[in-house]
Amino acid sequence: KQEVTQIPAALSVPEGENLVLNCSFTDSAIYNLQWFRQDPGKGLTSLLLIQSSQREQTSGRLNASLDKSSGRSTLYIAASQPGDSATYLCAVKTTDSWGKLQFGAGTQVVVTP
Amino acid sequence: ETGVTQTPRHLVMGMTNKKSLKCEQHLGHNAMYWYKQSAKKPLELMFVYSLEERVENNSVPSRFSPECPNSSHLFLHLHTLQPEDSALYLCASSQGVTGVYGYTFGSGTRLTVV
Repeated sequence: KQEVTQIPAALSVPEGENLVLNCSFTDSAIYNLQWFRQDPGKGLTSLLLIQSSQREQTSGRLNASLDKSSGRSTLYIAASQPGDSATYLCAVKTTDSWGKLQFGAGTQVVVTP
Repeated sequence: ETGVTQTPRHLVMGMTNKKSLKCEQHLGHNAMYWYKQSAKKPLELMFVYSLEERVENNSVPSRFSPECPNSSHLFLHLHTLQPEDSALYLCASSQGVTGVYGYTFGSGTRLTVV
């Protein structure tokens, strides 16, 4: 059974610092890995999608890497801003189930001005 | 309207009520999903529909009844719920169940059972 772990559970940084969020998964048989952002009480906003054959994806200040063999992904957010405060979720799409995304519990990020 | 739209945004219902959650996607996707997000727990998959056919019921109690009349609409019918069913219910869609192009989520319905 696929298990997804996100460390740390919570993170607080001053504005301008770079953020590093970690995601690990136990089964390397995946189609892809997707990073989401969730604001309190709201839905999920997709940030980056990395296919199993890719090593990284970039969008603006965001960069996500994927090491499938070791079961790890890292989301980097450069020059953090207070507006980056949210919970960040990683989700893995495994190859053995009908459309099931396995989610981590998330990392709650607070960026202080 | 673009993306995935869920209504209502908030719902308070008694344990004897019957209500429905609605989800509509404007992306031309052919797979739709219901997820449940309880406090302090990871998202849990409830149902998967592919081409309007239910392909997975993830051990969900029968008091939750999904309906997918076409590829753009998904409903979750609720009856005789319990207080522990209070949660954020999220709808998602994708092009194919492999999700090779990723998943798009709605804003959710915050359900409170009293």
